[in-house]
Amino acid sequence: NAGVTQTPKFQVLKTGQSMTLQCAQDMNHNSMYWYRQDPGMGLRLIYYSASEGTTDKGEVPNGYNVSRLNKREFSLRLESAAPSQTSVYFCASSEVDRSPNKNIQYFGAGTRLSVL
Amino acid sequence: DAKTTQPPSMDCAEGRAANLPCNHSTISGNEYVYWYRQIHSQGPQYIIHGLKNNETNEMASLIITEDRKSSTLILPHATLRDTAVYYCIVGFGSGSARQLTFGSGTQLTVLP
Repeated sequence: NAGVTQTPKFQVLKTGQSMTLQCAQDMNHNSMYWYRQDPGMGLRLIYYSASEGTTDKGEVPNGYNVSRLNKREFSLRLESAAPSQTSVYFCASSEVDRSPNKNIQYFGAGTRLSVL
Repeated sequence: DAKTTQPPSMDCAEGRAANLPCNHSTISGNEYVYWYRQIHSQGPQYIIHGLKNNETNEMASLIITEDRKSSTLILPHATLRDTAVYYCIVGFGSGSARQLTFGSGTQLTVLP
């Protein structure tokens, strides 16, 4: 059981280049998330998808787009990379629980992105 | 506006129990307490969660005080691989995303 798989693990971009970060989960979860983590800081939510076919902005969405391709896959796209987007990106997924206050999220290993 | 308070760092001898405290005095009656850890350069790993009762799983035990204003994560026999930053999380961020809000956490160092 692979859980949450992110590709690539590492990427170096030049300013202005575009790329897509891939995320797939095999736990049949409805909800998926993209976070970024800057050095010495906590995770900040970029975008999330509560269910297949829906996406919503999180705390820091500017400069990013997302696609919920199907229930398993949730991709994050940088259209024109900037040095400020140098960060570690984590994808997470969670099951829908009847309790509105319960949400156990499972994370991928991360994508380390450097924008020069 | 932090909802939890944790010590910034703790040491523990290998093989001994590691007890990580967390204060959450403003917790609401229906909010869960979650514990995650992040080993250097890896993704956060879910450990355990609880609402009112004490909980135990294969990784750890969670002790929640009766007034729910604090909790303790217990790793019964710490190993070097348990060295990580441990995050105590209560509730979710604002909005409908139900995202986890990671604070500064506790850096646990397990010493040989």
